[in-house]
Amino acid sequence: SYVLTQPPSVSVAPGQTARITCGGNNIGSKSVHWYQQKPGQAPVLVVYDDSDRPSGIPERFSGSNSGNTATLTISRVEAGDEADYYCQVWDSSSDHYVFGTGTKVTVL
Amino acid sequence: QLQLQESGPGLVKPSETLSLTCTVSGGSISSSSYYWGWIRQPPGKGLEWIGSIYYSGSTYYNPSLKSRVTISVDTSKNQFSLKLSSVTAADTAVYYCARDITRGNWFDPWGQGTLVTVSS
Repeated sequence: SYVLTQPPSVSVAPGQTARITCGGNNIGSKSVHWYQQKPGQAPVLVVYDDSDRPSGIPERFSGSNSGNTATLTISRVEAGDEADYYCQVWDSSSDHYVFGTGTKVTVL
Repeated sequence: QLQLQESGPGLVKPSETLSLTCTVSGGSISSSSYYWGWIRQPPGKGLEWIGSIYYSGSTYYNPSLKSRVTISVDTSKNQFSLKLSSVTAADTAVYYCARDITRGNWFDPWGQGTLVTVSS
């Protein structure tokens, strides 16, 4: 089945840029969606269809997708961005949703 | 504003059936284009999609769980439900319900989640 691989952790200083990768075979041919999950809370959609933002999500959150890697970029990182982030795609070959392994973002 | 709320027993015995209900408020479960899904997260681990249902009753499931999962819908109550049979400790998780933005897309919004522990 389709596998999405994320780095377990990313550390970033406040005001800097965090980049979270999501690797998958030819992921550039799929639509990638990203969720933010803070401790004890439900996931929240922050990017859909590779690079679109739901209403209410800051412009600091952006996404890109090409080749075998999709990337969620968080610009001007704030303490409140500290959370786990998951990518997600639809695997049409097996007709089911797949989530990435998750990345913990730590704000130094 | 659409809201989802999970409910059901927090403790289930091994080999029994886990049953949860998701109540949708602030919108109709019969809205076209939307499916309604269940996702779970074992403690300290990642997310796993369980399955989704359309208001007409059409379903699709994670192949790895399909043999044990049944998802149903009750449009009169604006609810949909999950049944997972023959549970083991590996089924201990926080279970979330969420709106599935048409088959093959994303989930938004999510319910707050409910912890179900499988233990005798």
